[in-house]
Amino acid sequence: KQEVTQIPAALSVPEGENLVLNCSFTDSAIYNLQWFRQDPGKGLTSLLLIQSSQREQTSGRLNASLDKSSGRSTLYIAASQPGDSATYLCAVKITAGNKLTFGGGTRVLVKP
Amino acid sequence: NAGVTQTPKFRVLKTGQSMTLLCAQDMNHEYMYWYRQDPGMGLRLIHYSVGEGTTAKGEVPDGYNVSRLKKQNFLLGLESAAPSQTSVYFCASSYSGSSAKNIQYFGAGTRLSVL
Repeated sequence: KQEVTQIPAALSVPEGENLVLNCSFTDSAIYNLQWFRQDPGKGLTSLLLIQSSQREQTSGRLNASLDKSSGRSTLYIAASQPGDSATYLCAVKITAGNKLTFGGGTRVLVKP
Repeated sequence: NAGVTQTPKFRVLKTGQSMTLLCAQDMNHEYMYWYRQDPGMGLRLIHYSVGEGTTAKGEVPDGYNVSRLKKQNFLLGLESAAPSQTSVYFCASSYSGSSAKNIQYFGAGTRLSVL
């Protein structure tokens, strides 16, 4: 059974610092991995999707890497801003089936 | 752009009551999903649908039923609510679920409390 873990559960950084968020998964047979952002009381917004054949994806200040062999993905957010404060979740799509398996999320606070 | 719309946004039920959560999407997506989110546990899939008239069980289906009578709508029903069903419920939709490029689009959620 695929299990997805995000450590730490919460993170606080001063504005301007780079953010590094971790995601680990137990089964390397994945189709893709997605990073989502969730604001309080809101739904999830997809940030980046990395296909299993890719090693990284970039969008603006965001960069996500994928290492299938070690079961890890990292989301980097450069020069963090208070507006980056949110919960970030990663999810993997397994090879067989349509399900996304989510991690528990990392709650980020960027202090001005 | 409406995207995925969930109604209601909030609901309080007493144990044993029933209710239906409605999800509507205007993106002509084939696939629709219902998740629940509990503190520290991420999202868990309840049921999903790969097309009009079809439904399938997810990870935590017990106590819930679903229907997909129209392509744009996916209903989640609780026949006899229990306190363990207190949660935030999210609906999502996507194009073909089998594509490696598939992205799921989420609604804003329904906060349900069962007393």
